[in-house]
Amino acid sequence: AQSVTQLGSHVSVSEGALVLLRCNYSSSVPPYLFWYVQYPNQGLQLLLKYTTGATLVKGINGFEAEFKKSETSFHLTKPSAHMSDAAEYFCAVSVGGTSYDKVIFGPGTSLSVIP
Amino acid sequence: DVKVTQSSRYLVKRTGEKVFLECVQDMDHENMFWYRQDPGLGLRLIYFSYDVKMKEKGDIPEGYSVSREKKERFSLILESASTNQTSMYLCASSLFAGLNQPQHFGDGTRLSIL
Repeated sequence: AQSVTQLGSHVSVSEGALVLLRCNYSSSVPPYLFWYVQYPNQGLQLLLKYTTGATLVKGINGFEAEFKKSETSFHLTKPSAHMSDAAEYFCAVSVGGTSYDKVIFGPGTSLSVIP
Repeated sequence: DVKVTQSSRYLVKRTGEKVFLECVQDMDHENMFWYRQDPGLGLRLIYFSYDVKMKEKGDIPEGYSVSREKKERFSLILESASTNQTSMYLCASSLFAGLNQPQHFGDGTRLSIL
């Protein structure tokens, strides 16, 4: 069965430091992968997605993620954290199913940015 | 920009009540979804709809039903609310069926069942 794991339910970084949020997936077929961000009291917003082609994907707000098939990973990075990056981040994989296509979300990683 | 609007941000209801959560999208999207979000569990799909009057069960449909009479509106119904249905409920839409289609989310309804 397909699944998504996010290592670390909570990550803290200093302002200006590298942000690295980890995501690993299991899928028997090539997946489509997404990162979403959820700011307090809001819904999820798409940060970036990988479908096909270039494995390094750039998203909004300076974030990027690299699809590594051999490691079944899709880690999210940002070179320099900003206070406004504090939020919950969800990795998701889109898979085909017997009855419908579905998106499986990871449990989320809460990012704190320390001044 | 796509806008997905959920009718209530916060809702408090009593056990046994019938509860309606409403969601409207303004971009003529075919697909609409209802999720519940609980800490440490991520988002879990309750129901989705790929067309008017069409619906499919997600991973946790028990205790819920849905209605989609118009393309832009998707309602979630708790037939007889119970305390274990206290949660954040998120509505989402996507343009059409397809594995590479991102979903657009509303701001959520935080539902408390007393």
